[in-house]
Amino acid sequence: GQQLNQSPQSMFIQEGEDVSMNCTSSSIFNTWLWYKQEPGEGPVLLIALYKAGELTSNGRLTAQFGITRKDSFLNISASIPSDVGIYFCAGPAGSSNTGKLIFGQGTTLQVKP
Amino acid sequence: DTGVSQNPRHKITKRGQNVTFRCDPISEHNRLYWYRQTLGQGPEFLTYFQNEAQLEKSRLLSDRFSAERPKGSFSTLEIQRTEQGDSAMYLCASSLGQINEKLFFGSGTQLSVL
Repeated sequence: GQQLNQSPQSMFIQEGEDVSMNCTSSSIFNTWLWYKQEPGEGPVLLIALYKAGELTSNGRLTAQFGITRKDSFLNISASIPSDVGIYFCAGPAGSSNTGKLIFGQGTTLQVKP
Repeated sequence: DTGVSQNPRHKITKRGQNVTFRCDPISEHNRLYWYRQTLGQGPEFLTYFQNEAQLEKSRLLSDRFSAERPKGSFSTLEIQRTEQGDSAMYLCASSLGQINEKLFFGSGTQLSVL
């Protein structure tokens, strides 16, 4: 079945550093979504990507839809303590337009002030 | 508040008891989803509704689980005869039901079965 693999599994960085994480799929996706989840809360949508090669920014966050349509990347520039959380990539599960998503296992980010 | 609302936020129950969770989606959203998330994992799909119709159920949804959306607005998820393995965060999400749609999640209900 479909699987999303995120790397790295966790990151511990210094405030001000840039962060890069990626997500790879066993199959082609036509949509990539990036979510952030903080402890005890639900995932919050950060960026949505709909086209191969697309590069989209949301403040200090930039995400790219890989050309092969089997991967996506998320970059965070000049990290700050409130960037702490778990970052999930997600994509449509199956081929039908159900809106059902499959999620990666997450990248946990910790930022040292 | 126009976001997805879930109640209760936390539920502690004894094994064998029944529990019910409620989700109020964003008002104009006609699709509603239930997901389950365990520690260290991403959310896993359980079921979804298009208006009041339940269109798909995951094999994760055993016969002890039942979900309803009686009037196409709020939804309830009931777990009967809870087991310790049911301990998880139960997340609700809603969407407009369009192509390439975005799902918006609630804060979840954290269930602990003792």
